[in-house]
Parts: sequence; structure tokens; C-alpha cells
Amino acid sequence: GENVGLHLPTLSVQEGDNSIINCAYSNSASDYFIWYKQESGKGPQFIIDIRSNMDKRQGQRVTVLLNKTVKHLSLQIAATQPGDSAVYFCRGTGRRALTFGSGTRLQVQP
Amino acid sequence: GAVVSQHPSWVICKSGTSVKIECRSLDFQATTMFWYRQFPKQSLMLMATSNEGSKATYEQGVEKDKFLINHASLTLSTLTVTSAHPEDSSFYICSAPRTGVEETQYFGPGTRLLVL
Repeated sequence: GENVGLHLPTLSVQEGDNSIINCAYSNSASDYFIWYKQESGKGPQFIIDIRSNMDKRQGQRVTVLLNKTVKHLSLQIAATQPGDSAVYFCRGTGRRALTFGSGTRLQVQP
Repeated sequence: GAVVSQHPSWVICKSGTSVKIECRSLDFQATTMFWYRQFPKQSLMLMATSNEGSKATYEQGVEKDKFLINHASLTLSTLTVTSAHPEDSSFYICSAPRTGVEETQYFGPGTRLLVL
């Protein structure tokens, strides 16, 4: 089939509000998940990870929630700042890199 | 600091020329590296898996004779865009898995290619 990139959905939030970005995964065998942030013109960067034996993990202003029952991850960003504007991707474990079909563009309005 | 580097960070070339992009893991060895392409406002698209000491594995729709991949050492993979055309203009990113307690993919900063 044609190798076509997916246009990403956009989430627009006001500066200072909380943001919630969602991700669904299909491989029930995944036992480790990572959220990446990709700023414009840069490569993706690691934000936070979570193992499947946890359902919540907190970092600095970010929280990841894992619901294995429905194969769903969410990334919560508290007090969203303009510097948080980026594309956010999730992925599960596996030596094979996944095609990043899931991803959300976060736009922070001043 | 960055654990995966790419060179060059950007390149402009004439149509018909070939361009080589390097991906290096700086403080770890990677028997496998991955190459992606990203068009504006689109998701990353996996192009191929680079395997040290063996042939690369290409995704469906990616021409292996067009995008030559060489994984010459445990810290270096190169992507050569042969006979580049304007439609090859894109943002090319590599990643390498670093295995520790868990395996994490580290991404390079990307190479922006503009073919005139």
C-alpha cells in the first residue's frame, strides 16, 4: 500500500489550563510504555515512562495513566505552558520501532 | 545530553544528486537503528530498519534502491537518498534502542532535506 503519513489531531488549550492527551494501543503484550514529545523541527524526546504493573506515574507537571483493561494511555500536563506546544506520541515495548500512527499536536494559546 | 546524533542537520541539494545522512549512537552500541521520514504536520513514518552486519529491512512502499542503508558499525548507520528529487524533500529522523532495565528508543535530532 501507499506509504502515507497520518495527519495528526490537534488539541488546543489555554495557557495555565491542564491538558490531557490520549493514546490507544493494540498489543496487549506490551509491558512498558513511553511518551515522547516532538517540537517543531526536532526529533522526539523522552518525557515519561510507565511499566504495566503500574496504573499511574507522576513526573514534573506530567502524569501518565495506564488502563490495561481498555488498552489506553493518557498524558496529563498540569498548568500547560507555551513551551509545551509540540506533538506527543506514545509507544509500547518491542525492539521493533512502531509506526507512529498515534500522536496529538498540542497547541497552547496565550 | 543527546545520545543519538545526526549529520548533517540540514542539507540543500540539486535534483539528481545523492545525499548521505549519518546516524550515530554516542555512548552505547546499537545493532539495530531505525529510519523515519516526516512530512509537515504529519506523523513519523517508519522507512526501514537498519541491521548491523546484514541487510536493512524496508517498509512496504519504500524503495530500497532509492534509500540505501548501511549499518557499518555498532554506532553508525547511514541513509543515502540516491538521485534525489523534490518529492524526497522531508525531515529524516533516526532512532536507536538503548537497552537497560527497559528498552528505550532514543531519537536523533533529525535532518531536513530540501531538493531543488
